[in-house]
Amino acid sequence: EAQVTQNPRYLITVTGKKLTVTCSQNMNHEYMSWYRQDPGLGLRQIYYSMNVEVTDKGDVPEGYKVSRKEKRNFPLILESPSPNQTSLYFCASSSAGDDEQYFGPGTRLTVT
Amino acid sequence: GDSVTQMEGPVTLSEEAFLTINCTYTATGYPSLFWYVQYPGEGLQLLLKATKADDKGSNKGFEATYRKETTSFHLEKGSVQVSDSAVYFCALGHSGGYQKVTFGTGTKLQVIP
Repeated sequence: EAQVTQNPRYLITVTGKKLTVTCSQNMNHEYMSWYRQDPGLGLRQIYYSMNVEVTDKGDVPEGYKVSRKEKRNFPLILESPSPNQTSLYFCASSSAGDDEQYFGPGTRLTVT
Repeated sequence: GDSVTQMEGPVTLSEEAFLTINCTYTATGYPSLFWYVQYPGEGLQLLLKATKADDKGSNKGFEATYRKETTSFHLEKGSVQVSDSAVYFCALGHSGGYQKVTFGTGTKLQVIP
């Protein structure tokens, strides 16, 4: 089954404790993105990747890091989480020849 | 830069009512336009899309027409069902190189029996 998976689905952590949210897709897509969803703000892009070892900032990259060492994986790293990073996070992927994005199920992060 | 404006929700309708969710956009060039739907507890999934002016996207009884003259892409459905209750996102994207997608803020639809 073609899908984008994210782990964990729910995470509660404390300020300053490094965390990683994993994202994996099995569709051989070139493009992958991370978004955060906040009430009244819709989805905002954090980082995106056009292929292995090619990443760039989206609209709200501050406080986040990403890496793309393999085509299927695109982890989101919060080196020192803060309460304003409490949000619902989505990973998405798409292929070079298609403009549809495929979304993961989301990760709800709470930083206290 | 690009932007998408959707009508504020929530929208509450009775089953079999007519649905319109307004969406207007600002963009350079000739973007593709999308409607995504998010059911409770799930990620977004593509509902329909249109890639050029006057195109009509349709799926599951929903329709939207790409209107370049009014920069709009309103979502419509003739008869909503309880199962249509979800959050609907209008979005635009520019293909070629990378599909950068800009989303609206989302409109929550609740359909009551």
